[in-house]
Amino acid sequence: NAGVTQTPKFQVLKTGQSMTLQCAQDMNHNSMYWYRQDPGMGLRLIYYSASEGTTDKGEVPNGYNVSRLNKREFSLRLESAAPSQTSVYFCASSEAWTDLNTEAFFGQGTRLTVV
Amino acid sequence: EDKVVQSPLSLVVHEGDTVTLNCSYEVTNFRSLLWYKQEKKAPTFLFMLTSSGIEKKSGRLSSILDKKELSSILNITATQTGDSAIYLCAVEGNDMRFGAGTRLTVKP
Repeated sequence: NAGVTQTPKFQVLKTGQSMTLQCAQDMNHNSMYWYRQDPGMGLRLIYYSASEGTTDKGEVPNGYNVSRLNKREFSLRLESAAPSQTSVYFCASSEAWTDLNTEAFFGQGTRLTVV
Repeated sequence: EDKVVQSPLSLVVHEGDTVTLNCSYEVTNFRSLLWYKQEKKAPTFLFMLTSSGIEKKSGRLSSILDKKELSSILNITATQTGDSAIYLCAVEGNDMRFGAGTRLTVKP
């Protein structure tokens, strides 16, 4: 049982380049999330998808776009990378967005450096 | 392999009780340990611990790291129903690993 799988694990981009971070979950979860984590800070929500076919902005959506390709997959795209987007990115999924008792499962992260 | 283990997995208490949540870890190149509270939306950051033996405190919540024992505890005193949530522990080493979480339910 793979859980939440993110690719790639590491990436170095030049300023202005674009890339897509991939995320897939095999738990049949309805909700999926993209976070970033910066040194000394907690997780910050970039975008989320409460259910297949819907996406919404989180705390820090600027500079990112997302696609909920199907129930399993939720990708994060950087159209024109900036050094401020150097961070560790986490994908997560959970059964339901509105259920207090839902548990989120996290991928192992993508360490992105923009030079 | 790096891992983070939280205990208990779930806990039911009554308002006013004090709870202690545990997090133990085995990671390569430990850098920090973080606690989060997860309710309906994104996990809310609580504490980041990097130094052993130094307690971080915020209101009724406190946490301490023991690098020798490779563990941390999160204490909540005088619990309230609003403390009901899943508490996540994450440890940053060569990468970030999350524990499975402790589901805390506080009954009136």
